[in-house]
Amino acid sequence: KAGVTQTPRYLIKTRGQQVTLSCSPISGHRSVSWYQQTPGQGLQFLFEYFSETQRNKGNFPGRFSGRQFSNSRSEMNVSTLELGDSALYLCASRARDYNSPLHFGNGTRLTVT
Amino acid sequence: GQQVMQIPQYQHVQEGEDFTTYCNSSTTLSNIQWYKQRPGGHPVFLIQLVKSGEVKKQKRLTFQFGEAKKNSSLHITATQTTDVGTYFCAGPDGDKIIFGKGTRLHILP
Repeated sequence: KAGVTQTPRYLIKTRGQQVTLSCSPISGHRSVSWYQQTPGQGLQFLFEYFSETQRNKGNFPGRFSGRQFSNSRSEMNVSTLELGDSALYLCASRARDYNSPLHFGNGTRLTVT
Repeated sequence: GQQVMQIPQYQHVQEGEDFTTYCNSSTTLSNIQWYKQRPGGHPVFLIQLVKSGEVKKQKRLTFQFGEAKKNSSLHITATQTTDVGTYFCAGPDGDKIIFGKGTRLHILP
């Protein structure tokens, strides 16, 4: 079974721009979660999508948004980028059960200059 | 909201020494999960503990879940260079999973 695939692996953007990250979950997994990882804050939960609906949301500003498609692939968008948005963005999928473990992709390293 | 705290933040050990990281939750957890992230990699699921007082072993790794289901620990016996990385505990907050900030393990040769 193929793992979670995230594209692109690296991105460099300038302040004020917007960016879209993509995540393809493990086949059969309908839940996709997004996390932001920075050295100081660890893994911070952004949001989770299940069956094309946002099921949970973390404490991030409205500039961070996402969506999920009918094939469970998910995208995350960040508008009006700020320097502090530089981070590793990790996508994780899991089976339907809330207690199921997360399977992470390799992440997208976003650098905002 | 619920918080999951981990200590220590960093740990340097000589190869062959033991290592322990501790995880504490502000609320009772239905389960706790442990993940390992190698340098430059992504978190990889290690194990899940569900029962009060549960102890599970994976080779040199021993995981414990506290009796009150509010704390957990990961103990590595006789560390090896392959153990290098950051170890995270994670627990449910509602139906989302939140992570501790992790313990970064450095192995000195």
